Amino acid sequence: DTGVSQDPRHKITKRGQNVTFRCDPISEHNRLYWYRQTLGQGPEFLTYFQNEAQLEKSRLLSDRFSAERPKGSFSTLEIQRTEQGDSAMYLCASSGGGSFYGSPYFGPGTRLTVL
Amino acid sequence: AQSVTQLGSHVSVSEGALVLLRCNYSSSVPPYLFWYVQYPNQGLQLLLKYTSAATLVKGINGFEAEFKKSETSFHLTKPSAHMSDAAEYFCALTNSGYALNFGKGTSLLVTP
Repeated sequence: DTGVSQDPRHKITKRGQNVTFRCDPISEHNRLYWYRQTLGQGPEFLTYFQNEAQLEKSRLLSDRFSAERPKGSFSTLEIQRTEQGDSAMYLCASSGGGSFYGSPYFGPGTRLTVL
Repeated sequence: AQSVTQLGSHVSVSEGALVLLRCNYSSSVPPYLFWYVQYPNQGLQLLLKYTSAATLVKGINGFEAEFKKSETSFHLTKPSAHMSDAAEYFCALTNSGYALNFGKGTSLLVTP
């Protein structure tokens, strides 16, 4: 399977703990995106990388959130001091070519539950 | 500001009937529009996209959508529903080149 993969698929944590999610994009894709999806809502954009550079961050991405993409390959999303409001599905997507309009391919998501 | 509105959070059709899922958009510049499908506990799968090449866009699994600028709409249709089409459908828009702005989704139920 050469699609976008995410790990873990599920994470349960206690409020105040730190969590880290990993995304492995499609290998030839240079663009990587993170989205958050809460129950009954569409995904909301969090951040975007082109290669290793983080080019855009949503206002949704508070100071407790940080994303990295070292060497322009996999990416990690860390949430520090988790809050119950952070409970959501975190989706990663990637796209390739010189244009966004190669269309993002989404991974299966990481479902976070904060108790 | 750009946004999409999906009319009807739940749509129910009989197997074999026409599927029509509505999406209206608001954008200050010509947008690029997408339809994605999400099955339970899975990520999103691209059904089709409009990038100004043709107003009638054909996608996977027999779905198609028509871009109508005068109506600011991009409705998704399929002539004959299958049980396997039951899922959540999302319309999305971008004019930034990187961030997709999604609607709230429409849950499609297909009854025998």
